[in-house]
Amino acid sequence: EAAVTQSPRNKVAVTGGKVTLSCNQTNNHNNMYWYRQDTGHGLRLIHYSYGAGSTEKGDIPDGYKASRPSQENFSLILELATPSQTSVYFCASDRGDSGNTLYFGEGSRLIVV
Amino acid sequence: QQKVQQSPESLIVPEGGMASLNCTSSDRNVDYFWWYRQHSGKSPKMLMSIFSNGEKEEGRFTVHLNKASLHTSLHIRDSQPSDSALYLCAASTANTNKVVFGTGTRLQVLP
Repeated sequence: EAAVTQSPRNKVAVTGGKVTLSCNQTNNHNNMYWYRQDTGHGLRLIHYSYGAGSTEKGDIPDGYKASRPSQENFSLILELATPSQTSVYFCASDRGDSGNTLYFGEGSRLIVV
Repeated sequence: QQKVQQSPESLIVPEGGMASLNCTSSDRNVDYFWWYRQHSGKSPKMLMSIFSNGEKEEGRFTVHLNKASLHTSLHIRDSQPSDSALYLCAASTANTNKVVFGTGTRLQVLP
């Protein structure tokens, strides 16, 4: 099974601070994704990438940036964290063909105070 | 923007009973549906996928797809307490890599 690891697993940040969530996958998948999960909203797509050097906006990109420096790594950056960004963030990857299964990391729980 | 609606929001069934979950996409061009299962505190894991009209069975789990009505359903027979989880329906079209998720059905199986 595909291995996707996220760090940190838990993070408390102050309002206005910078937060970087990191994701690493070891299965040579082309596509990587960042979702956030909140009660009542399900999983919502923030940013995604088709490969190293590419980033695309998802459905809720405001307040977030993304970086894909290599095939294996995909980061989500909150330049100025706000309490509304308190959530559980999931990274996922897939091969890149249509109809592929998403493989998720364990999740990163972020609390912004 | 595609929306994926799931019903019911929550469901309680007795051990050994049948659980039926529903999902509908708003996008007429939808090509792929998945069901993901997420146990409490864990990440979602793909349970079943269905891309063609009809039915697909894997053990105690059966999925149906009707593309004309943009509707899929998941049925779990002989439900077990270990099936208690959040079930997420996801959908995508062939011309995009964006997978859209519904808000989920929370299933509780009582011993």
